[in-house]
Amino acid sequence: SAVISQKPSRDICQRGTSLTIQCQVDSQVTMMFWYRQQPGQSLTLIATANQGSEATYESGFVIDKFPISRPNLTFSTLTVSNMSPEDSSIYLCSVAGISYNEQFFGPGTRLTVL
Amino acid sequence: AQSVTQLDSHVSVSEGTPVLLRCNYSSSYSPSLFWYVQHPNKGLQLLLKYTSAATLVKGINGFEAEFKKSETSFHLTKPSAHMSDAAEYFCVVSGAMNRDDKIIFGKGTRLHILP
Repeated sequence: SAVISQKPSRDICQRGTSLTIQCQVDSQVTMMFWYRQQPGQSLTLIATANQGSEATYESGFVIDKFPISRPNLTFSTLTVSNMSPEDSSIYLCSVAGISYNEQFFGPGTRLTVL
Repeated sequence: AQSVTQLDSHVSVSEGTPVLLRCNYSSSYSPSLFWYVQHPNKGLQLLLKYTSAATLVKGINGFEAEFKKSETSFHLTKPSAHMSDAAEYFCVVSGAMNRDDKIIFGKGTRLHILP
């Protein structure tokens, strides 16, 4: 398994601003994922971040709104840009285990946009 | 294409009674199936996983799940509920080890434990 930390754990932001969420893993991993969990909802995959290449975004998510960096095999950031109240969610990063289809999740970042 | 359906959005049981959380899946080929638990204000924790080995899978905290291909089900059970089991539970389906096979989360089942 992998130990994953996220910063910040929570934040309250003003409309129109941007927030960058950091995800740190205690081991080198190829694939990292960013998810959104809207209030009372399940998890939705935003994008897959592979080191050395551009992130791959899921339908409904675009790079301008959710730019992602993956500078090395243990770290990634997700930025939520030009925020609106609809962006209020928990954002989680995860990494794939030995088999791609098993994932380990960070504790999440709870974002509230006023 | 894959999908997963959690049949109940809320389940309430009394402490000490059995727990059943239902999950049905759809997959074009042999899936991997998982149950995750999310306690309030906590991250996701893997309870158990099925990856084509034994069909009855035992997980942490006394939970187990049985893969039934004929019924396309992967229901989560526990013989005796504990107050600490109150949480949100997610059934997850994944295809073969291929990055084109997305991991799909069910909508979740909130488990309430009555004293």
